[in-house]
Amino acid sequence: EVQLLESGGGLVQPGGSLRLSCAASGFTFSSYAMSWVRQAPGKGLEWVSAISGNGGATYYADSVKGRFTISRDTSKNTLFLQMNSLGAEDTAVYYCAKLGQWFGAGQFDHWGQGTLVTVSS
Amino acid sequence: QSALTQPASVSGSPGQSITISCTGTRSDVGGYNYVSWHQQYPGKAPKLMIYEVTNRPSGVSNRFSGSKSGNTASLTISGLQTEDEADYYCSSYTASSTLVFGTGTKVTVL
Repeated sequence: EVQLLESGGGLVQPGGSLRLSCAASGFTFSSYAMSWVRQAPGKGLEWVSAISGNGGATYYADSVKGRFTISRDTSKNTLFLQMNSLGAEDTAVYYCAKLGQWFGAGQFDHWGQGTLVTVSS
Repeated sequence: QSALTQPASVSGSPGQSITISCTGTRSDVGGYNYVSWHQQYPGKAPKLMIYEVTNRPSGVSNRFSGSKSGNTASLTISGLQTEDEADYYCSSYTASSTLVFGTGTKVTVL
């Protein structure tokens, strides 16, 4: 059974940094692209970033490019999202999602339960 | 990266069919057969319902079907049931090598 468990969310001050983690199990982690998707309170889904199975290719939404970095550790079956220069607009539940072998197909076939990031002073 | 356009709400009676539209441009929906649909209940994670325009993952009811014409993709729910009341989001690959979600549609079963 595929399981995705996010952690690392919390309260952070504007301008601060936070690192999210997503522990994956139940599938061959290195064979699939992975993604982060966020949802601000009461709002819709927003795609944030994706990474290829071998970690060699990364993709970002314009809204986070230059501030967020996606990475993965295949030895630990863990996906990461390093978030810097956080602003109030980054307040959201952040979901980790498993994609297919190519991220562009948008086949978000499994999702984590989400972790809440709140940016506030 | 503007969000794809969906109607804010769609409603129907049990047993009826409803269709949710997802309108983009030829740089996203119209240019690629990589449109997916996701169902989300309040406070829960989304669930994949359709991928690559028309494909249903294993376990998804065949009451859900997808299609595309030009720059608009559609999700049809036939034989509407109370359990279908949820938010629905489309997503698409874009020419900028990114993904984009739709604005979301709240489905209400009357």
